[in-house]
Amino acid sequence: RKEVEQDPGPFNVPEGATVAFNCTYSNSASQSFFWYRQDCRKEPKLLMSVYSSGNEDGRFTAQLNRASQYISLLIRDSKLSDSATYLCVVSHMNRDDKIIFGKGTRLHILP
Amino acid sequence: DTGVSQDPRHKITKRGQNVTFRCDPISEHNRLYWYRQTLGQGPEFLTYFQNEAQLEKSRLLSDRFSAERPKGSFSTLEIQRTEQGDSAMYLCASSSQVTGNEQYFGPGTRLTVT
Repeated sequence: RKEVEQDPGPFNVPEGATVAFNCTYSNSASQSFFWYRQDCRKEPKLLMSVYSSGNEDGRFTAQLNRASQYISLLIRDSKLSDSATYLCVVSHMNRDDKIIFGKGTRLHILP
Repeated sequence: DTGVSQDPRHKITKRGQNVTFRCDPISEHNRLYWYRQTLGQGPEFLTYFQNEAQLEKSRLLSDRFSAERPKGSFSTLEIQRTEQGDSAMYLCASSSQVTGNEQYFGPGTRLTVT
């Protein structure tokens, strides 16, 4: 099993719809979780951290399920500008401070 | 501009040449990371510094790759005897151990080996 797995997509979603995608991780010792957004040929930009209690930032909601070892990202009322690749990041900042990026999920918002 | 900066933004080199990239992190960040990213893939971790100490190196980092952060501020990544397979985007990120390790990325250096 890969350390961090994401559905590569693409997810083609009409503007205004709600879309959700998951990211599974294999190491139960993982401690920190993040979602990044990456536009074509640009650097990844931090979208949000994922806390145990879940967190919401405007139209974006992130949740963590430790029992099933996955994190999720929900985007409500999607905008054309949400089109991007969404990268899941998992880290276990113990002795080896390992940080793993998923390969990303491509999202296309359709007008 | 107080973000992470990288130089150069693009580099074209011939196979067998050496190249060096520079990263300037956010000034108050003590952790600095190097990643490599190829098309359709997520960033792959290469190495990581906490202050001036290099704490981890990925198995991806062959002996042709070396990274330094001599004063705990900027970092350099050198690739010796470049190969075509080294063509990729090299990303640098920094974070603060104090504020939770959220990483902020620079714009990257795109390397093309011909």
